[in-house]
Amino acid sequence: GNSVTQMEGPVTLSEEAFLTINCTYTATGYPSLFWYVQYPGEGLQLLLKATKADDKGSNKGFEATYRKETTSFHLEKGSVQVSDSAVYFCALRVGGGNKLTFGTGTQLKVEL
Amino acid sequence: DTAVSQTPKYLVTQMGNDKSIKCEQNLGHDTMYWYKQDSKKFLKIMFSYNNKELIINETVPNRFSPKSPDKAHLNLHINSLELGDSAVYFCASSQEGGRINSPLHFGNGTRLTVT
Repeated sequence: GNSVTQMEGPVTLSEEAFLTINCTYTATGYPSLFWYVQYPGEGLQLLLKATKADDKGSNKGFEATYRKETTSFHLEKGSVQVSDSAVYFCALRVGGGNKLTFGTGTQLKVEL
Repeated sequence: DTAVSQTPKYLVTQMGNDKSIKCEQNLGHDTMYWYKQDSKKFLKIMFSYNNKELIINETVPNRFSPKSPDKAHLNLHINSLELGDSAVYFCASSQEGGRINSPLHFGNGTRLTVT
């Protein structure tokens, strides 16, 4: 079946620190990969996506590269801000439908 | 102007009661979903409707019954509520038709607490 594994949180960083949140996956088929972000009290929002190997998704300073050889889609940001504090979800989709398989989420806390 | 709106935002009720959560989207999407997020933030799809037809029905107790009166609305009715039903329920929508699927747009969630 399909599954997504993310590093456990919470991850606590100082402002302007470098962020990496690891995500690996298993999939039956060729998946599209996503990162969603959930701010406190809100629903999930799409942060970035990549649909084929070696694609790099980027948005708001966040980046993730689709690595087929390591089945990974790690999220990175060079300099985090307090406003980036949220829960980040890695997800995959196989096939034409929109049924996403989510990871368990990683909470990020950024402190001054 | 909220794209996907769900009501109520909070719902506190006793075991055994029946309750409904409503969801509406004004994005013109043809597909809507219900997801359940547990206390550990784990998200799991429950149902998906495309143009008012059920297309995904995961292993969910039949106490949960979705209803889609039109493609802009997907309500969730829960009978005989149990303690384990306490969670945050998210409605979402997307556009499935055409070559490219749009990303999911989520509502802000309904926090259900069963006492």
